[in-house]
Amino acid sequence: AQTVTQSQPEMSVQEAETVTLSCTYDTSESDYYLFWYKQPPSRQMILVIRQEAYKQQNATENRFSVNFQKAAKSFSLKISDSQLGDAAMYFCAYRSTGANSKLTFGKGITLSVRP
Amino acid sequence: DAGVIQSPRHEVTEMGQEVTLRCKPISGHNSLFWYRQTMMRGLELLIYFNNNVPIDDSGMPEDRFSAKMPNASFSTLKIQPSEPRDSAVYFCASNTVEGGTGNTIYFGEGSWLTVV
Repeated sequence: AQTVTQSQPEMSVQEAETVTLSCTYDTSESDYYLFWYKQPPSRQMILVIRQEAYKQQNATENRFSVNFQKAAKSFSLKISDSQLGDAAMYFCAYRSTGANSKLTFGKGITLSVRP
Repeated sequence: DAGVIQSPRHEVTEMGQEVTLRCKPISGHNSLFWYRQTMMRGLELLIYFNNNVPIDDSGMPEDRFSAKMPNASFSTLKIQPSEPRDSAVYFCASNTVEGGTGNTIYFGEGSWLTVV
């Protein structure tokens, strides 16, 4: 079974600075999808970024980018120019390919942004 | 397009009462997931459906929980009888493998359940 590990429960960043959130996973599959979801205090789960394992290029969405290291099974999220609205819980998630596959989440990391 | 729609958003009920949570997936999505989030356990998958058929219900905690998907646009999660330890945020999510979203699962806003 696949597992997702987020070892840092909390992180803090100064506004306008850059922060990196770590995630590792364990799988025997060669093709899969990785995701970062953001959960603000409203509890809504918001997709931040997605990475297909077969793509070598790291995904980027505006201020959010990932460092995907397939061999190391590492998938970190970098937030540049941090904003107060980035304060939230962030979840790393894994999904196998195929219609009948579920999303496996890490335990999440709480990010606070200092003004 | 409307996202995943859940109701009720908030519910407070007394122990022993029946609770029904509802979900309307995104139109055209053929997979539907029910997740539960608590402080202790984090995000847990309870059950998921593909083309209205339950694929994996191994996450359903016990017989008090049941889920149905009578058609492609509606699903329910029922707890009967409810207990205080069922207090959590329940998320419904949906997905399709077709189109550019490829395997991305979209979540509803969640149903906050408090059992007193």
